[in-house]
Amino acid sequence: QITLKESGPTLVKPTQTLTLSCTLSGFSISSGGEGVGWIRQAPGKALEWLALIYWDDTVRYSPSLHNRLTVTKSTSRNQVVLTMTHMEPVDTGTYYCGRLGNSWVADWGQGILVTVSS
Amino acid sequence: YVLTQPPSVSVAPGQTARITCGGNDIGNKRVHWYQQRPGQAPILVVYEDDDRPSGIPERFSGSNLGNTATLTISRVEAGDEADFYCQVWDTDTVHGPVFGTGTRVSVL
Repeated sequence: QITLKESGPTLVKPTQTLTLSCTLSGFSISSGGEGVGWIRQAPGKALEWLALIYWDDTVRYSPSLHNRLTVTKSTSRNQVVLTMTHMEPVDTGTYYCGRLGNSWVADWGQGILVTVSS
Repeated sequence: YVLTQPPSVSVAPGQTARITCGGNDIGNKRVHWYQQRPGQAPILVVYEDDDRPSGIPERFSGSNLGNTATLTISRVEAGDEADFYCQVWDTDTVHGPVFGTGTRVSVL
């Protein structure tokens, strides 16, 4: 059974850096062809893709946020980590990680609600 | 690349709901659809225009032609009430997934 689970702080202050982890189960990020993406959703808003990483360390970032994002993977922990700098209240929302299919998100984590507030 | 969906669709139980997703020449892209029930994570209901993951009822079907892709839900049930998002992969600029604006399906 494939599962993904997001973890990290649920409250961050403005200007701080957010670090979220996505723990994978049922598949390995080091297996050929595998990829994991990060998607967020502001309250009452649509889904917004942030970043992705593949088994071969290929990374892609949303053009609008690329200067604030870093995505890495740990094969030993079977985790994918997202870092977002300079957090602001508009970054408040639920952050999801997902296992990538060919060009879709095949499996989703439960999400983690991150609030940015002083 | 912009994907435009109607904000809402209302349908009576047992009827058919059609959710559109508009994009420039979207017929030449592969379209995927997600259902997101209130307070839950999205789930994939249709991929590559018209395929269903295992466990998704046959009532969910998709089509894609020209500038519009469509998700059709037949014999709508109360449990189908949710937000639906279309998605394509942008290979030109973003090099990643692009999501539609989302449609709230309400069952009357």
